[in-house]
Parts: sequence; structure tokens; C-alpha cells
Amino acid sequence: NAGVTQTPKFQVLKTGQSMTLQCAQDMNHEYMSWYRQDPGMGLRLIHYSVGAGITDQGEVPNGYNVSRSTTEDFPLRLLSAAPSQTSVYFCASSYDNSEAFFGQGTRLTVV
Amino acid sequence: AQRVTQPEKLLSVFKGAPVELKCNYSYSGSPELFWYVQYSRQRLQLLLRHISRESIKGFTADLNKGETSFHLKKPFAQEEDSAMYYCALRHTSGSRLTFGEGTQLTVNP
Repeated sequence: NAGVTQTPKFQVLKTGQSMTLQCAQDMNHEYMSWYRQDPGMGLRLIHYSVGAGITDQGEVPNGYNVSRSTTEDFPLRLLSAAPSQTSVYFCASSYDNSEAFFGQGTRLTVV
Repeated sequence: AQRVTQPEKLLSVFKGAPVELKCNYSYSGSPELFWYVQYSRQRLQLLLRHISRESIKGFTADLNKGETSFHLKKPFAQEEDSAMYYCALRHTSGSRLTFGEGTQLTVNP
């Protein structure tokens, strides 16, 4: 099983550019989420989804959009990249009340 | 509001020494607590969850509701325990996780 797969692993963007971080899981998990990891701040929830067609905001949603058209995929879109969005991004999936499985992360630098 | 606090950003011990990583939480309800670990350049993975009450890789963690703590302990640290450790709380409504700031553990030879 591939588990949770994130692409790309690394990305450099210029301020103002847009891009989509991809996340796919093959475990038929209903719940998926996006976190950003910053030094000294832990992981903070950006957006999450409890099933196809349903998304909601987390703790730090500004500047990001998500959609969930299928159970497997949960892309994260940066609308207009800013240096403050330089971070490591993690996607996770789980069944309700089960262990969360994480992707390998996407290291994003905005210059 | 729910919150998870890990007071130590960095923790350094020698091999064979006991180690304790502190975690405190605030939550209005019955919390479900976890420890996740991230080894260098690897993805986060579950280490422990309080409801299973098991020992993984020699680590244990007990939920103390009176002190609102979920400290992670190991009696004899090993070099391979060096990693970033995150304490996390799951909300009763859905599967959202709130993470602490993380503690970078270094076990010196």
C-alpha cells in the first residue's frame, strides 16, 4: 500500500505565484487534513474534510483553498504565494477515531 | 478552547539515562491523547495513544486527568530515540488533531 502520497516533495515559488499541493490516499479513509509545520509552532491545521464534497477551515486557513471531489484526493491550493507560507506541509488521513497516517511532506519555499 | 503545550523545545540526554517529555493539555471534555514521532527526514508516525495503554519501543505515557498531563517516559534512552516528538489531542467531534509545539529529543552516546 502506498498510504498517503504527497507531491511535490520540494517546491520553490515566487511571491504571487499560485500552485497546488497534491495529496492522495489509497486506504479509503473518510477524514483528510492539511497541516503546516513551522519551527517552534508544531503542526497547525489548515483545512480538513470529513468526506467527499465536505471541507472546513482549520486554525490557519487564510491564503489556502481546498476541495474534495473524491475520497482519495485532497489538493491544497495556494492562491497567491507569500513568504509567510514558507513551511513544510503535511497531509494526513484517517478513519474516524483511528490513527492518523501522514504523507512525507512538501517543503515549500516562497521567495 | 483546546490546547496542547510541550514546554521543552529541546531535550538532550545521554544514552541509558531516563527521559521524560512533558505534555499538558486543556480541553473541555474527555480527551483522546497521542504521541507522534518524526525521525529525521521521515513522515510523522503514531507512537502511542492513551486508550491503548501499551508500551512502544520502551516508551509509556499515562493520562493524568487531575494534572491534565500526558507525559512520555522511557527508563533507558537509546541513540535511535533521537527525533522530534509531538503530543496531540483529538477532538471528540470528528478527527481533528491539535498538536503541541514539539520537543526535539537528542540522545547522546
